[in-house]
Amino acid sequence: EAGVVQSPRYKIIEKKQPVAFWCNPISGHNTLYWYLQNLGQGPELLIRYENEEAVDDSQLPKDRFSAERLKGVDSTLKIQPAELGDSAVYLCASSLDGRETGRRYEQYFGPGTRLTVT
Amino acid sequence: GNSVTQMEGPVTLSEEAFLTINCTYTATGYPSLFWYVQYPGEGLQLLLKATKADDKGSNKGFEATYRKETTSFHLEKGSVQVSDSAVYFCALSDPLGTSYGKLTFGQGTILTVHP
Repeated sequence: EAGVVQSPRYKIIEKKQPVAFWCNPISGHNTLYWYLQNLGQGPELLIRYENEEAVDDSQLPKDRFSAERLKGVDSTLKIQPAELGDSAVYLCASSLDGRETGRRYEQYFGPGTRLTVT
Repeated sequence: GNSVTQMEGPVTLSEEAFLTINCTYTATGYPSLFWYVQYPGEGLQLLLKATKADDKGSNKGFEATYRKETTSFHLEKGSVQVSDSAVYFCALSDPLGTSYGKLTFGQGTILTVHP
């Protein structure tokens, strides 16, 4: 079974430029997460999707960050314009959640995209 | 709000030594608790989990017991190997409220095992 796929793995851009990250979750997983991981810290949730609906985006800096999951499968996270402080690893994760039972299953993580803003 | 505190690292051990990485948490309700491991250049992998008090999660020789009375979930392994060198993250998932499904992570503990 293929895992969570993310691309690109690495990205170097100059400040004020736009950047986009792509994530394809494990087949059949209805819930998708984007996390931000700063150096030496644990991941922090940016946004959580259930199918195509963003159900928790309270930590997403909406002035410069946006995300979409149009068909409830793959997702794109965008930053425009990027700032120096955005340099970090952006992790995507997915899980299979039972809406009827309310059960939450383990989250499976992709390898991440390491962003460097110069 | 929810929070997870891990012992500060890095931790350096010799092969076959005993490992303990401390983790304590603060949460509303009754969270599920997890240990994730991140090998160099790879994504986080679930190592083990426990969903209720006194549950013991185990995998690959690692163990952790959900202690509600001390709000702890310490990771242990009796004999570490060089291949266990990685970053270990303790995390919780609160089953209640708006943070439902959200993982809250500790800051991670770097483990290095020497031959």
